[in-house]
Amino acid sequence: QKEVEQDPGPLSVPEGAIVSLNCTYSNSAFQYFMWYRQYSRKGPELLMYTYSSGNKEDGRFTAQVDKSSKYISLFIRDSQPSDSATYLCAMSLDNYGQNFVFGPGTRLSVLP
Amino acid sequence: NAGVTQTPKFQVLKTGQSMTLQCAQDMNHEYMSWYRQDPGMGLRLIHYSVGAGITDQGEVPNGYNVSRSTTEDFPLRLLSAAPSQTSVYFCASRQGGGNTIYFGEGSWLTVV
Repeated sequence: QKEVEQDPGPLSVPEGAIVSLNCTYSNSAFQYFMWYRQYSRKGPELLMYTYSSGNKEDGRFTAQVDKSSKYISLFIRDSQPSDSATYLCAMSLDNYGQNFVFGPGTRLSVLP
Repeated sequence: NAGVTQTPKFQVLKTGQSMTLQCAQDMNHEYMSWYRQDPGMGLRLIHYSVGAGITDQGEVPNGYNVSRSTTEDFPLRLLSAAPSQTSVYFCASRQGGGNTIYFGEGSWLTVV
């Protein structure tokens, strides 16, 4: 079993749809959870960051962490064609090491 | 502010050749790292550094060498290229204690 699993997609939705992206993980010690967005032929960039369980909202984006189920989600409301990208989940044990583990990414296409 | 700069963007190597991927950051970040990204595998850590003069191995270090003589620069050397090293390589940096990883734009390497 991989440490972090993520449906690779591709996921195609119409403009304006609500998108749900998910990751599951096996290591219950993870404390920090992140979502990165990666446009084609570009490096990943941090989109959302949460610590421990709970929800965090930033504009059209909401990140949820359920540590009891080892499951994290990213919701995108009113999706736009500019949201078309690959979304990588990432998690780490702490702030100080290099213990970041990345999911393989879900490719999202938002169709106009 | 350039962030993390990688060169070259694209490179084709023959098996057995050596080369260096250059990486520089202008954010005075302590931590720098190299990842490779392969389909379905996520980002995997090759080598990392927590400061000038200090380097350590990541998950997939074999066939690669690094050095960190300055805070700004962190080159990755392929010692004797193999087709299995065909991948996209990302250099990254972050401030110690921070969770935001800043990635370069990537270097596409093909070994034939």
